Amino acid sequence: AQSVTQLGSHVSVSEGALVLLRCNYSSSVPPYLFWYVQYPNQGLQLLLKYTTGATLVKGINGFEAEFKKSETSFHLTKPSAHMSDAAEYFCAVSEFNTFYFGSGTKLNVKP
Amino acid sequence: DVKVTQSSRYLVKRTGEKVFLECVQDMDHENMFWYRQDPGLGLRLIYFSYDVKMKEKGDIPEGYSVSREKKERFSLILESASTNQTSMYLCASSTTSSGTITYEQYFGPGTRLTVT
Repeated sequence: AQSVTQLGSHVSVSEGALVLLRCNYSSSVPPYLFWYVQYPNQGLQLLLKYTTGATLVKGINGFEAEFKKSETSFHLTKPSAHMSDAAEYFCAVSEFNTFYFGSGTKLNVKP
Repeated sequence: DVKVTQSSRYLVKRTGEKVFLECVQDMDHENMFWYRQDPGLGLRLIYFSYDVKMKEKGDIPEGYSVSREKKERFSLILESASTNQTSMYLCASSTTSSGTITYEQYFGPGTRLTVT
């Protein structure tokens, strides 16, 4: 079975600083990859996804992620953090009709 | 836009009560899912369904059942609510490409259930 690892359950950055949230998966077969964001007391919202094609994927709110097959990684980045980015972020993998979620990373943005 | 709605945002029930959580999606998706979310444990899959009247157990089905009589509606049932079922419950739906790969899941706003 697939496993999805998000390094760091809590990440804290200053406003304007680079955001880097890490995600690694275990499959040797290129899966579909996703990042979701969850604001307090809300459902999950899709930020971006990788299916096929270009390995650098751009999403909403200035986020992007790069699929690196050799590293089995799909890290999420944003060049400049904003206070409104404070939320919990989930990496997810879809393989063979099954969805696997990471355990989530809470992003704190300091003024 | 895909819309997934859940019947209640907040619910308070007593121990032993039968609880129904309803989820409706408007995009004709084949697949529907119920998760529970607890601090530090991420999302855990309770049940999912690939078609009307079909259901599959997820990782933590004990104490729950589901019903899917119509394609757009997926209900989660707590037969006899217990305090350890206090949690955030999230419903999701998705469509499947060529029967093999599931596209992204679309989530409802969640129901925060408290069992006292």
